[in-house]
Amino acid sequence: ETGVTQSPTHLIKTRGQQVTLRCSSQSGHNTVSWYQQALGQGPQFIFQYYREEENGRGNFPPRFSGLQFPNYSSELNVNALELDDSALYLCASSPQQGSGGRGYTFGSGTRLTVV
Amino acid sequence: EDQVTQSPEALRLQEGESSSLNCSYTVSGLRGLFWYRQDPGKGPEFLFTLYSAGEEKEKERLKATLTKKESFLHITAPKPEDSATYLCAARATSGNTPLVFGKGTRLSVIA
Repeated sequence: ETGVTQSPTHLIKTRGQQVTLRCSSQSGHNTVSWYQQALGQGPQFIFQYYREEENGRGNFPPRFSGLQFPNYSSELNVNALELDDSALYLCASSPQQGSGGRGYTFGSGTRLTVV
Repeated sequence: EDQVTQSPEALRLQEGESSSLNCSYTVSGLRGLFWYRQDPGKGPEFLFTLYSAGEEKEKERLKATLTKKESFLHITAPKPEDSATYLCAARATSGNTPLVFGKGTRLSVIA
C-alpha cells in the first residue's frame, strides 16, 4: 500500500506571501487532516476534510484554508504569511474520519520557513 | 478543554537502561490513546493504540499501558536506534474530533 506523500519537502517564503502545500492520501483513506508542528512542540490540529468537505477546524485563523479533491488528495493554503507560520506541516490520512486502530497515517511533512 | 501532557520533556539513557515515559490526558470520553515515534524532520510513525484502562500492547522493546488518567510507554533494554521523540495523542469520543498531542518526550540512548 502507498503511504501519505507530501510536497514540497522544504519551502522558503517571504512574510506576506501565499503558499500552497500538497498531500496525497494513503490508498483507501477518505479523510485528510492537517497539523502544524512548531520546533520542539507537538502537532497542532489545523483542520480535517472528509469527502471534500471541511468537518473540523482547530484554533487557526481564516487565512489557513484547504481543499480536498475527488481522489481524496488535499491542499493547505496559507495567505499573508507571518514569521510564526514557520513550522513543519503534517498531513495525515485515515479511513472513515479516523476510525480504525491505527488512527491516522502521517506523511513526512513540509518544512516551511518564513523570512 | 482536551489536554495531553507528557513527561519528562527529555530523557537520556545508557544502552540497556530501562525506563518509562508518561502521558497524562484529560479528554471528554476517550476514544483512543495513541503513541507515535518521530525521528528528526520526519512525520510521526504509528506505534500503538489503546482503548480502555488496563489494556497493554507490546512491540519489540516497547510496551504501552493505559489507566483512566495516564498512559505509560515502557522501554526495556533500549538501544541507540530507539533514540527519537515519542508522541502521545488522545482522541475524544464526541463528534469528529482530531488527535490532541502532547509535546513529546525526546529520548536519547547512549551506547
